[in-house]
Amino acid sequence: KNEVEQSPQNLTAQEGEFITINCSYSVGISALHWLQQHPGGGIVSLFMLSSGKKKHGRLIATINIQEKHSSLHITASHPRDSAVYICAVNPYMDSNYQLIWGAGTKLIIKP
Amino acid sequence: NAGVTQTPKFQVLKTGQSMTLQCAQDMNHEYMSWYRQDPGMGLRLIHYSVGAGITDQGEVPNGYNVSRSTTEDFPLRLLSAAPSQTSVYFCASSSAEGTYEQYFGPGTRLTVT
Repeated sequence: KNEVEQSPQNLTAQEGEFITINCSYSVGISALHWLQQHPGGGIVSLFMLSSGKKKHGRLIATINIQEKHSSLHITASHPRDSAVYICAVNPYMDSNYQLIWGAGTKLIIKP
Repeated sequence: NAGVTQTPKFQVLKTGQSMTLQCAQDMNHEYMSWYRQDPGMGLRLIHYSVGAGITDQGEVPNGYNVSRSTTEDFPLRLLSAAPSQTSVYFCASSSAEGTYEQYFGPGTRLTVT
């Protein structure tokens, strides 16, 4: 069993839909990251969370430390949101360079 | 700031050849890492460094060497390329303090024939 699991693996939706991507982890963590990778592109950090909720534009990330679960939401989705979304965690009491990575969720938004 | 830069962007090697992938950052970050990304798989850590002169192995270090003589540079050397090393390679850096936000280079697409 992977220590960081994302669901769904693949998601196709229509433009304008509300999108939710989930990340569950089995270790204690000091921080959780959400990153975005466009097809053929580089990897960009979206959020770093240790508690609560963060919002940036149409993107919202939440984390529930007790339940070891985080969600990434996209409101009013647009075809340019099509990308792979990756969850990664910093294990608690470990150095920040040893991230544990999820396998990613491939999101396709159709116009 | 240029952030994290990687060269080359694309490279084709023959089996047995050696080469160095370059990575540099201008943010004075202590931590630097090399990852490989294969189709259908998540990022896998090859080597990492917590500061100049200090490196350590990650999950998949075999066939690769690194060094960190300066804070800015963290080159990855392929000693004798094999087809199994065909992959996309990403360099990343982060600060030892604050948010631990990860900054990635644009990647190097390597094909070994």
